[in-house]
Amino acid sequence: QKEVEQNSGPLSVPEGAIASLNCTYSDRGSQSFFWYRQYSGKSPELIMFIYSNGDKEDGRFTAQLNKASQYVSLLIRDSQPSDSATYLCAVKLSGSNYKLTFGKGTLLTVNP
Amino acid sequence: GAVVSQHPSWVICKSGTSVKIECRSLDFQATTMFWYRQFPKQSLMLMATSNEGSKATYEQGVEKDKFLINHASLTLSTLTVTSAHPEDSSFYICSAPGVASGELFFGEGSRLTVL
Repeated sequence: QKEVEQNSGPLSVPEGAIASLNCTYSDRGSQSFFWYRQYSGKSPELIMFIYSNGDKEDGRFTAQLNKASQYVSLLIRDSQPSDSATYLCAVKLSGSNYKLTFGKGTLLTVNP
Repeated sequence: GAVVSQHPSWVICKSGTSVKIECRSLDFQATTMFWYRQFPKQSLMLMATSNEGSKATYEQGVEKDKFLINHASLTLSTLTVTSAHPEDSSFYICSAPGVASGELFFGEGSRLTVL
């Protein structure tokens, strides 16, 4: 079964620090990778997507993709308490049209 | 980004009744929509793919006669939980794919509690 794995956490960082969230996937043919943020009791919202190996930066967020290692990460710089949420890694598996497979999510807590 | 609206946001019903949840794409057309279910502290589990004008495609283990999906227009998909039981209590979330990059846009979610 094709899987997406994340450390469930909780990951706790002080305000202003860099939070590093990691995700591995089993389907080597996967092409598209997404990071969603989900606040408690709310639905997920898209933070970033990445298709190519390397880094992609958007404001305080940087997504990193290494297809050879089947690894994707999200870095959050200058973490704020408002960043406290569950972060979901999602992968579009090879052969699927729009269907995404989600990891279980990592709970991030940013302490003031 | 694209806007997906879901209604109702929460519903409480008695065991044995049916509940309908609506999912609308507000500023774009969606020939495909996805329905997810999320239990507390669990990830999103795909239940079914809703296809405009044709039958929905259900994931393994999801009862199609219990979770009825109708996608009658390019902007509306509905999920009906028939004869709901307490174990159906969950957070149901719909989503639709963006055209440009394939990301999913999610509705606000509907929290169902079956007494």
